Amino acid sequence: EDQVTQSPEALRLQEGESSSLNCSYTVSGLRGLFWYRQDPGKGPEFLFTLYSAGEEKEKERLKATLTKKESFLHITAPKPEDSATYLCAVQAPSGGSNYKLTFGKGTLLTVNP
Amino acid sequence: DVKVTQSSRYLVKRTGEKVFLECVQDMDHENMFWYRQDPGLGLRLIYFSYDVKMKEKGDIPEGYSVSREKKERFSLILESASTNQTSMYLCASRDPGGYTFGSGTRLTVV
Repeated sequence: EDQVTQSPEALRLQEGESSSLNCSYTVSGLRGLFWYRQDPGKGPEFLFTLYSAGEEKEKERLKATLTKKESFLHITAPKPEDSATYLCAVQAPSGGSNYKLTFGKGTLLTVNP
Repeated sequence: DVKVTQSSRYLVKRTGEKVFLECVQDMDHENMFWYRQDPGLGLRLIYFSYDVKMKEKGDIPEGYSVSREKKERFSLILESASTNQTSMYLCASRDPGGYTFGSGTRLTVV
């Protein structure tokens, strides 16, 4: 059974204080690892897809990295508008589809001004 | 941009009612998904479909069914709503770049 564990469950930072979120996974036949941002009452918003160990992607203050067992989302000099829940998900084959996503429970990030 | 539209943002239904949640995508995608999201439990897959009339159970299919008669539309059906099905329901569509989610339907069963 595919498993995704995110840590910490919640993280409170001061504006400008850099940190990292962790996503560890156990999956058979990883097809991709996804990071999403979710604001309260809204659907998840796509951030990054990583496909192989060693891959890195960046977008503004966010950088995602991938190893064979985990992924990190690094947040550099965060701002209050970065406050959200960050979700990690892995894609693996299941039944008739190669596209089943299994999610972690998320990290609630709060950035104080 | 891909658009995934869920027909209702908020719904209130009575116990025992049959409930239909509708999801439409505008890009001819084959793969569509229904999740529910609950505090402390995260997003859990209910059902997914990889083509018209093709469906597979996810991790928590009990109490739900689905319908995919046309490629663009994927419906989630609660045969007899119960209070433990009060949740946020999210539909997603798979495109080459990743997965696009709808805005969600917050369902309350009273």
